[in-house]
Amino acid sequence: AQKVTQAQTEISVVEKEDVTLDCVYETRDTTYYLFWYKQPPSGELVFLIRRNSFDEQNEISGRYSWNFQKSTSSFNFTITASQVVDSAVYFCAVRLGNTPLVFGKGTRLSVIA
Amino acid sequence: KAGVTQTPRYLIKTRGQQVTLSCSPISGHRSVSWYQQTPGQGLQFLFEYFSETQRNKGNFPGRFSGRQFSNSRSEMNVSTLELGDSALYLCASMYGTGGFYEQYFGPGTRLTVT
Repeated sequence: AQKVTQAQTEISVVEKEDVTLDCVYETRDTTYYLFWYKQPPSGELVFLIRRNSFDEQNEISGRYSWNFQKSTSSFNFTITASQVVDSAVYFCAVRLGNTPLVFGKGTRLSVIA
Repeated sequence: KAGVTQTPRYLIKTRGQQVTLSCSPISGHRSVSWYQQTPGQGLQFLFEYFSETQRNKGNFPGRFSGRQFSNSRSEMNVSTLELGDSALYLCASMYGTGGFYEQYFGPGTRLTVT
């Protein structure tokens, strides 16, 4: 069965600092999909990125970047120059072909002005 | 395009009652999944429907059931409510089925059982 570990329960940073959220996944399958979601205080999960297991290219989208390393089964997420609006709970998740999404416990990020 | 809508947004029920939650997916999306979110257990999968057929079911008791209609709208029902059913219930829609597609979530229904 798949498993996602987000070891950081809570992180607090000062605005404009960079912050990295860690995600380690477990699966025996060679084909899988990794996701990051953001959950602001309003409660709605917002999709951020999907990455398949055959695409190890890192990705940058504005202040967000993702580092996928199959060798360490990690899919880490970095926010550059954090802002107060980035405060939320961030979830990493894994999914196989037709299985449900399996989420980590989430990391609560607080960005202080 | 309108996002995923869930009704009602908030609900207070008494132990032993039953409840029905509704979810309307993004137009054109045929897959709907339901998740329960609690502080202790985190996000747990309930079920997934695609074209009115249940594709996957999570490890929840039979009191939890769901269905999907021909217009892709979905409902979930919880009978004989227990205090532990208090949670945020999230619905997610997806264009197709399978890991290739990302799920888009609704705002959730916050259920409180007293």
